[in-house]
Amino acid sequence: EPEVTQTPSHQVTQMGQEVILRCVPISNHLYFYWYRQILGQKVEFLVSFYNNEISEKSEIFDDQFSVERPDGSNFTLKIRSTKLEDSAMYFCASYAGLATDTQYFGPGTRLTVL
Amino acid sequence: DQQVKQNSPSLSVQEGRISILNCDYTNSMFDYFLWYKKYPAEGPTFLISISSIKDKNEDGRFTVFLNKSAKHLSLHIVPSQPGDSAVYFCAASAVRGGSNYKLTFGKGTLLTVNP
Repeated sequence: EPEVTQTPSHQVTQMGQEVILRCVPISNHLYFYWYRQILGQKVEFLVSFYNNEISEKSEIFDDQFSVERPDGSNFTLKIRSTKLEDSAMYFCASYAGLATDTQYFGPGTRLTVL
Repeated sequence: DQQVKQNSPSLSVQEGRISILNCDYTNSMFDYFLWYKKYPAEGPTFLISISSIKDKNEDGRFTVFLNKSAKHLSLHIVPSQPGDSAVYFCAASAVRGGSNYKLTFGKGTLLTVNP
């Protein structure tokens, strides 16, 4: 069964450093998402991406965040200058674009900012 | 801003009995509701969904009920099995599909099914 994959599974970084989280969505899907879950809190929407541009972003997704689909396969989330409060589980999701379908999530990347 | 609320952080049931997980929402624009299941070290996995035009949807052991007037939905698992032990997230969206399709999640309920 096709699945969303994410790398790395765990990323540790120093505050102020740049990180790139990588995702490979399901191959025929058209819509891509990043969500995050801070420990003990709910899963929160960050950004949606369709047709090579951002469709919608939350207030969390400020200028420090960017997304890219560099090669038609990978979907990346970049955080330019990480803060302690960016420590969270980051989930990538993809969606085929059919009204009867749903969003499929990857296993997540745990980001720890020290 | 808790638009989707799951007020029970945990629930414990005996194998073979019914599990009932509850979810309330405040945003009347929500039109599509989903339940996801999450095991440790894995991403959320889609379980079942319901559109606002329905009040019930059934898939095997899983049934979701929607009460729009009360802004309440529930997930019933009958019979419960130890493998059902996981965190269950309620999620909602104002649209079903398209570029504005995004999910708003509750905090989750940890279900433990005891053998």
